[in-house]
Amino acid sequence: DAKTTQPPSMDCAEGRAANLPCNHSTISGNEYVYWYRQIHSQGPQYIIHGLKNNETNEMASLIITEDRKSSTLILPHATLRDTAVYYCIVRTSGTYKYIFGTGTRLKVLA
Amino acid sequence: DAGVIQSPRHEVTEMGQEVTLRCKPISGHNSLFWYRQTMMRGLELLIYFNNNVPIDDSGMPEDRFSAKMPNASFSTLKIQPSEPRDSAVYFCASSYWTEETQYFGPGTRLLVL
Repeated sequence: DAKTTQPPSMDCAEGRAANLPCNHSTISGNEYVYWYRQIHSQGPQYIIHGLKNNETNEMASLIITEDRKSSTLILPHATLRDTAVYYCIVRTSGTYKYIFGTGTRLKVLA
Repeated sequence: DAGVIQSPRHEVTEMGQEVTLRCKPISGHNSLFWYRQTMMRGLELLIYFNNNVPIDDSGMPEDRFSAKMPNASFSTLKIQPSEPRDSAVYFCASSYWTEETQYFGPGTRLLVL
């Protein structure tokens, strides 16, 4: 599985968009990009995933570059409850293994 | 719609005691996963079941760890005997099928004294 690189921490003002980057330069054609987050003392929560097209759901948007070597998770209007560790995971299609890295600790500031 | 249910949420025990963690996956999900999370090692997959059958237990750290899934709605992870280094948060996750999105439970925080 391709490895991912994320900044260890980020701050974002409440109400502003939070843009969380992820590098996955060794990603291959059949690998998906998944995003989860883990709020303190809770289980990882699924946010969104994609293969090559940009994706949007009620929680977030996922922008994947054309070469697929990086992606950005966008929380359009961050709230204090979005403070969490965000994990970017690359997973091969048809497999079950998630390789969780160290993630980005996002702090939303009032 | 109930998510993955785990019990107990917190467990404190003494070294040498048996510990049993329980998980109820989301109804209709065929795959179940046990993970362990520590500060040092992050989130690690311990074992994976598909249709109640263990498929991959390569992440189980030692013979002291065992997991069962007697039916589609229940799984256990047992540690016997427990050791202080087993202290961690243990998560159960389930998915509709093997390669589908995994949904995690709230975890069991285990402290072995």
